[in-house]
Amino acid sequence: RKEVEQDPGPFNVPEGATVAFNCTYSNSASQSFFWYRQDCRKEPKLLMSVYSSGNEDGRFTAQLNRASQYISLLIRDSKLSDSATYLCVVKRGAGNMLTFGGGTRLMVKP
Amino acid sequence: EAGVVQSPRYKIIEKKQPVAFWCNPISGHNTLYWYRQNLGQGPELLIRYENEEAVDDSQLPKDRFSAERLKGVDSTLKIQPAELGDSAVYLCASSSQGGVSYEQYFGPGTRLTVT
Repeated sequence: RKEVEQDPGPFNVPEGATVAFNCTYSNSASQSFFWYRQDCRKEPKLLMSVYSSGNEDGRFTAQLNRASQYISLLIRDSKLSDSATYLCVVKRGAGNMLTFGGGTRLMVKP
Repeated sequence: EAGVVQSPRYKIIEKKQPVAFWCNPISGHNTLYWYRQNLGQGPELLIRYENEEAVDDSQLPKDRFSAERLKGVDSTLKIQPAELGDSAVYLCASSSQGGVSYEQYFGPGTRLTVT
């Protein structure tokens, strides 16, 4: 079993739709959680950190459930420019060691 | 501020040939990472450097892969000899431990094709 698991998708949604991605992690010692975004043939970039209390950044909302070892990302009012792969990332231990999920591909259509 | 620089961007070689990738991290970032990303998968860490010291190389296939970061700045990753299964994107990232954020900044990657 992979340490970080995601549904690979693709999720095909129309502009303006709300879409949610889920991610599960297996190591209960994981300390920090992030969502990275990766455009086609580009490098990953940090989208947002995920905090225990949940956090929002504009149209993006991230949630963490430590008991269920589950992370989610909600995108409201999807834009064409949101089309990308969203990588769920967990950090455990000292030393900034990140483990990436396989990514969920989102395609927003006009 | 310049980002992480990698070269070459693309490389096509025949199997059994050697290949090397170069990375220059963001100025002042003392931590450098090499990742491999296979098609349709997330990046997987190969090796992490703190300054010039390799502090985690447990995922580096040491029979054919080697890396160095001699002066604690830029780094090279080498494969010798390359195998068909080494075809992937090799990403370099860097981070600073000086601030609250440990965000890793990635370079554009080197896309390796082994034929």
